Amino acid sequence: EIVMTQSPATLSVSPGERATLSCRASQSVSSNLAWYQQKPGQAPRLLIYGASTRATGIPARFSGSGSGTEFTLTISSLQSEDFAVYYCQQYNNWRLTFGGGTKVEIK
Amino acid sequence: QLQLQESGPGLVKPSETLSLTCTVSGGSISSSSYYWGWIRQPPGKGLEWIGSIYYSGSTYYNPSLKSRVTISVDTSKNQFSLKLSSVTAADTAVYYCARLLQWLVLGWFDPWGQGTLVTVSS
Repeated sequence: EIVMTQSPATLSVSPGERATLSCRASQSVSSNLAWYQQKPGQAPRLLIYGASTRATGIPARFSGSGSGTEFTLTISSLQSEDFAVYYCQQYNNWRLTFGGGTKVEIK
Repeated sequence: QLQLQESGPGLVKPSETLSLTCTVSGGSISSSSYYWGWIRQPPGKGLEWIGSIYYSGSTYYNPSLKSRVTISVDTSKNQFSLKLSSVTAADTAVYYCARLLQWLVLGWFDPWGQGTLVTVSS
């Protein structure tokens, strides 16, 4: 099983500031990584796939980078609607696994 | 626009079988580029992949749940279903269905259903 570890668990950021979220894989997943956003009471929403490709309709302030075992999701200028929990997911292996999530909260 | 909707009992007794159905609308479950999957999320916790199915019936299951899970597909109804046997309180969760893009073997989930809370309690 590929273990996905996200850090930090909670990130306190002021609106308009940049947020940088990390996701680490226990072994290489190449670029086979996705990011999701989940707001309270809602289903997760796909943000990024292929480590850096934005899904349809996702604003340009969301960007993903990395390959192998180290990945980053950057939100360039946080808007009020961006405060949520973010999950990474690897699909390099058929046994799909998610990270534990990073909660982005208002500072 | 593709939409997925979970349905099934919200309360299941311990040791019984949890059964959920996902109805797909706005597109065909028989599309060749996609798998269909189930994911769950215990209250206040993270996401866990349960398993996935292709329209032909080919399945992949999370090894940690494999002995208790059966996923099936009904292409005539544009639905796929989850059965989880011998449930305990640890199986209490919001259960989501979602479409997976086929990439290597499996890929990423998009879109997701709204989710349904299943509570295991006597």
